[in-house]
Amino acid sequence: EVHLFASGGGLVQPGGSLRLTCVASGFTFSTYPMGWVRQAPGKGLEWVSGIRPTAGSTYYADSVKGRFTISRDNSKDTLYLQMNSLRAEDTAIYYCVKSSTVTDINAAFDSWGQGTMVTVSS
Amino acid sequence: DIQMTQSPSTLSASVGDRVAITCRASQSISSWLAWYQQKPGKAPKLLIYKASTLQTGVPSRFSGSGSGTDFTLTISSLQPDDSAVYYCQQYDRYSTFGRGTRVEIK
Repeated sequence: EVHLFASGGGLVQPGGSLRLTCVASGFTFSTYPMGWVRQAPGKGLEWVSGIRPTAGSTYYADSVKGRFTISRDNSKDTLYLQMNSLRAEDTAIYYCVKSSTVTDINAAFDSWGQGTMVTVSS
Repeated sequence: DIQMTQSPSTLSASVGDRVAITCRASQSISSWLAWYQQKPGKAPKLLIYKASTLQTGVPSRFSGSGSGTDFTLTISSLQPDDSAVYYCQQYDRYSTFGRGTRVEIK
């Protein structure tokens, strides 16, 4: 059974930084594209970032480009999201997601973590 | 960027009713469309991918159709457990979600 456990969320001041971590199990992590999707309180879903299996290519939503960095450590089955220059509008639950296919970064997400809450406020 | 327009925003129906949710893409996305169900306090769950392929374990009362720019999620016989918010997602180029449809049971 696939399991994605995200952690690292919390309260941070505007302009601050936070690093999210997602530990995966139940599948061959190194072969799947992974990503992050967020959901502001009471709002819809927003794709944030994606990364290919070998970490050679990364992709970002315009809203976070230049501020967020996605990375992965395939030896540890772990996905990361480094978030810098945080803004109030980054406040959301951040979900770690697994691509449904090994072949394409553009894919449906067949497994989601439980989410970790990030609150940006002074 | 590809925009996804979902309608209606809220739907209220009775148990046993056939209900449909539509999703329109701002440009052709072929069949690169997925549907998700999200219940309060939970992560979204994949229901359908590639416009019409049912994810393993999803009840057969759920079905998807469409291609190009217009897509539909149909629940053939609404059940109490189907009360949730439903999202469409395009994955032709990166990923974009619709704004969601809340399905309520009368």
